[in-house]
Amino acid sequence: ETGVTQTPRHLVMGMTNKKSLKCEQHLGHNAMYWYKQSAKKPLELMFVYNFKEQTENNSVPSRFSPECPNSSHLFLHLHTLQPEDSALYLCASSQKLGETQYFGPGTRLLVL
Amino acid sequence: SQQGEEDPQALSIQEGENATMNCSYKTSINNLQWYRQNSGRGLVHLILIRSNEREKHSGRLRVTLDTSKKSSSLLITASRAADTASYFCATDGGGTALIFGKGTTLSVSS
Repeated sequence: ETGVTQTPRHLVMGMTNKKSLKCEQHLGHNAMYWYKQSAKKPLELMFVYNFKEQTENNSVPSRFSPECPNSSHLFLHLHTLQPEDSALYLCASSQKLGETQYFGPGTRLLVL
Repeated sequence: SQQGEEDPQALSIQEGENATMNCSYKTSINNLQWYRQNSGRGLVHLILIRSNEREKHSGRLRVTLDTSKKSSSLLITASRAADTASYFCATDGGGTALIFGKGTTLSVSS
């Protein structure tokens, strides 16, 4: 148990669906991150929030929309996804940017 | 952009043997970290070494850092079957979000 929770753990959605992934950290950290991990590919940093402000968006398609209402919660809103978006989505948090990150268990997403 | 590159990509050893993984990176760093990931799970932080440190130990783990060569190594001594996992190095690139390498997949057989 790392102190970072993610829900749901598994998600199957069609290309026309809208769904949201939720991440919550109980560590009092100020930075939160979304990563995408596809089979046989490096871990891809998607978004970074520091003190609720987005500081990085690594050319992520607009069908992924992040939201950070406070320092403890991070959402990833999904709409009109493509099959190639199927992957493990990992959330992480850290006290400061560049310091040790604590990861959630991930959401396994399958887009049909 | 990718910062760290682990080598080898895959490593298979017997229980009791030592496992060594290497990481090379491109730009200056404040720290380098190693993480472990069991199949389909989140990453777990193992050890952090700062740019002014050369070696660090944690239990059966030993990490070295050579900033002149922009490289690091992770040594796991007396490997166990439970050490089977993927291992990633990550660098901060100077206070930004961590950038992870592709990882080394370690398989320890009994």
